[in-house]
Amino acid sequence: GNSVTQMEGPVTLSEEAFLTINCTYTATGYPSLFWYVQYPGEGLQLLLKATKADDKGSNKGFEATYRKETTSFHLEKGSVQVSDSAVYFCALSDRSEKLVFGKGTKLTVNP
Amino acid sequence: DAGITQSPRYKITETGRQVTLMCHQTWSHSYMFWYRQDLGHGLRLIYYSAAADITDKGEVPDGYVVSRSKTENFPLTLESATRSQTSVYFCASRAGDSQPQHFGDGTRLSIL
Repeated sequence: GNSVTQMEGPVTLSEEAFLTINCTYTATGYPSLFWYVQYPGEGLQLLLKATKADDKGSNKGFEATYRKETTSFHLEKGSVQVSDSAVYFCALSDRSEKLVFGKGTKLTVNP
Repeated sequence: DAGITQSPRYKITETGRQVTLMCHQTWSHSYMFWYRQDLGHGLRLIYYSAAADITDKGEVPDGYVVSRSKTENFPLTLESATRSQTSVYFCASRAGDSQPQHFGDGTRLSIL
């Protein structure tokens, strides 16, 4: 079946550091890929998405590129802020349109 | 404001009790979903619904019941709660194919 594997956390960075959170997937066909963010005490919010190979999703300084050859969708940000502290989830959606999530990566950014 | 709301936000109950978690969305989205979030497991799909009166099982449906008599509501019922169902429950909705899911703020359920 479909699955998503993302790097285990927690990840702790200093403000303005570079962020990479790795995500790889297993799926048949051509899934859509997503990154969601969850701030403390809240539900998940869509951060960015990509629907086909080589697409780049971007939002709020975050980027991720759909790499079919490596089945990856790594999340990156050039300069993190304290306000980026949250849990980040990689997810895929297949033909059934159900989302399959990774286990989440907790990011803490220190001033 | 338009959105998706869950109630209650927090609930404590005892094993064997029936408890219903409510989910209401104002967008008239076709699809609605229930997930549970547990440490070490991420989010797992319990049930989903493609339209009113159409529901289907997700990854972990055992012990749960859903209904969808109206498009905007998708209640989740634990008929006889067990401690293993202690979790944070999220409801989500989606307009149509390839659209992102929108999540509620969750219900934190503790079963003693």
